[in-house]
Amino acid sequence: GAVVSQHPSRVICKSGTSVKIECRSLDFQATTMFWYRQFPKQSLMLMATSNEGSKATYEQGVEKDKFLINHASLTLSTLTVTSAHPEDSSFYICSASGTPNEKLFFGSGTQLSVL
Amino acid sequence: AQSVTQLGSHVSVSEGALVLLRCNYSSSVPPYLFWYVQYPNQGLQLLLKYTSAATLVKGINGFEAEFKKSETSFHLTKPSAHMSDAAEYFCAVRGQGAQKLVFGQGTRLTINP
Repeated sequence: GAVVSQHPSRVICKSGTSVKIECRSLDFQATTMFWYRQFPKQSLMLMATSNEGSKATYEQGVEKDKFLINHASLTLSTLTVTSAHPEDSSFYICSASGTPNEKLFFGSGTQLSVL
Repeated sequence: AQSVTQLGSHVSVSEGALVLLRCNYSSSVPPYLFWYVQYPNQGLQLLLKYTSAATLVKGINGFEAEFKKSETSFHLTKPSAHMSDAAEYFCAVRGQGAQKLVFGQGTRLTINP
């Protein structure tokens, strides 16, 4: 089946630094990618939807200048957490889809810890 | 708009017993419904999905779910629980033609020996 690779799986950074998370579709062209955030023992909250070659659409309450999303190619989307703070510590998961109605494939997630 | 509600944040069953995880949905358009499983520190794996074909959907690992429009439900069942079924389970909904997947709160399934 299709594979989505998310990297890194775990990152620890100092407060004020920026962290980039990569999400790659390995064997299909992902026209749409989604970024989710998951707090411990809670559900996944959609942060933004990105379509290749266009600006991401952010959910209400998500700061677009804080969480920069780039989807420059059909196989790669990146999420950059800028000027990270401890409250940004969370599990971030990406998912990718080839078309609007195709199955979503999820990455394995990135555990971000901001000290 | 679409939403799902999972009844019970934590379900505990004995090994070999029936597993029943409840999910009710709300959707203004015909929905697609999904069940995902998440193991610790991992992403999500699709168990099964309903896309307006058969109302009883069979998935991986012996799980199945039945779409009941009259009850707006999509409960997940497995006849006999296995220790390896211990995980977090998420119900999700997406409107037909929509891109966004909306997740329920999740249900943690614990299997007792």
